[in-house]
Amino acid sequence: GAVVSQHPSWVICKSGTSVKIECRSLDFQATTMFWYRQFPKQSLMLMATSNEGSKATYEQGVEKDKFLINHASLTLSTLTVTSAHPEDSSFYICSASSFGNIQYFGAGTRLSVL
Amino acid sequence: TQLLEQSPQFLSIQEGENLTVYCNSSSVFSSLQWYRQEPGEGPVLLVTVVTGGEVKKLKRLTFQFGDARKDSSLHITAAQPGDTGLYLCAGSAGGGNKLVFGAGTILRVKS
Repeated sequence: GAVVSQHPSWVICKSGTSVKIECRSLDFQATTMFWYRQFPKQSLMLMATSNEGSKATYEQGVEKDKFLINHASLTLSTLTVTSAHPEDSSFYICSASSFGNIQYFGAGTRLSVL
Repeated sequence: TQLLEQSPQFLSIQEGENLTVYCNSSSVFSSLQWYRQEPGEGPVLLVTVVTGGEVKKLKRLTFQFGDARKDSSLHITAAQPGDTGLYLCAGSAGGGNKLVFGAGTILRVKS
C-alpha cells in the first residue's frame, strides 16, 4: 500500500504556543488530504478536508482559526494548532488519497499541551 | 447525515474463539473499508468492499458487504492475541471519498 508519513509522532508543548504537524505522501500524489482527531479508545473524528491548492473545508464545530491547514503541494499538508491549550491534547491523524481513491493513513501525532 | 453503527463496542474473548463485528447504516455506501488500529498508531487498511453481497477473505478474517450496500460484517475465526486492537469500519458515499467512520470495536484476545 501507499506510504503516508506524519511528523512528529509525539509533541509536548506549553499552553499558548503553536504546533505544526506535517503529513507527507511518500510514493504518490495526494490530491486530497484529511485531518482527523481521535480521543482514547474512540473512533476517528474528521476535522477537515483539504485539496491541493485550495482552502480546507472544515467540519461543523471545528475552528478554522484554531486549526490552520495548508496543502501547498501534492505531497505535503500541514496542520498547525495555534495557541494550544490543554483541551487540544489529543491524537491527530492525517490521511491522503489520490483522485477519490482509498485513503492511506499516517501513524498519527500525539499532542500533549501542558 | 450518514451514520455507521458499529457493534459491539468492546469484545473480550479467549484465544481460539470466533467473533463477528457488525456495521449497519440506513444509507447506501459505494464502498466500505475495514481498518485495524493499534494504540499510538494510525489505522491500517484491511480490506475494501465495493459490490453488494461481496465476500472477501484475508487469512482468518472474512468480510462481507450487504446486498443493499448498507451493512457489513467482519468475522474472525480462531482469534489470536495478535488480533487485539481497535477495528474500524468506514463507508464512502463517493464524490470526494470522505469517509464516515463507525464508533469502533475494541477487541481483546486473551491467551
